[in-house]
Amino acid sequence: GQNIDQPTEMTATEGAIVQINCTYQTSGFNGLFWYQQHAGEAPTFLSYNVLDGLEEKGRFSSFLSRSKGYSYLLLKELQMKDSASYLCAVNDDYKLSFGAGTTVTVRA
Amino acid sequence: DVKVTQSSRYLVKRTGEKVFLECVQDMDHENMFWYRQDPGLGLRLIYFSYDVKMKEKGDIPEGYSVSREKKERFSLILESASTNQTSMYLCASSSSGTGDTDTQYFGPGTRLTVL
Repeated sequence: GQNIDQPTEMTATEGAIVQINCTYQTSGFNGLFWYQQHAGEAPTFLSYNVLDGLEEKGRFSSFLSRSKGYSYLLLKELQMKDSASYLCAVNDDYKLSFGAGTTVTVRA
Repeated sequence: DVKVTQSSRYLVKRTGEKVFLECVQDMDHENMFWYRQDPGLGLRLIYFSYDVKMKEKGDIPEGYSVSREKKERFSLILESASTNQTSMYLCASSSSGTGDTDTQYFGPGTRLTVL
């Protein structure tokens, strides 16, 4: 089966940096996605990694190590609007398996 | 912009009723998916379809069926709703490319309550 683990909750201060870790053990791997989901809304795409290394997109960066089955999402210069759930998802032949999500709370 | 729409945001049904959840996408995507999302469990795949009239079971298909008669529309059916099917239901679509073209785009969700 698929096993994708990420912390349940994280809290950080406005302007700070937060790193959300995701470890996975899956039967197949065609890339790893990060999604953001605000309360009561649909998940929206943030980033995609298929090769090892860091992908940077503005304040958000995502890292992948396939040999370690590990990824992280880095959120820099946190803003109040970044308070949301962050979902790690592994792509296995165009099906996604999701972690339970990490709820990030940004405090003033 | 990709648009995925779902027929209802909120739905209240009674135990034993037949329930239809509709999803429509406007990006000519081949793949469509139905998930349910429950606190602490994340998104779990119920069924998916990679072409018209094709369907595949996901991780939790029991108690559900699906229909895909047209490329843009994917319906989730609860034949006889039960209280344990109270949940948020999310539809998604993606193209059949490789890499980040597998990105799934989600609808706004339907919060179903079964009494």
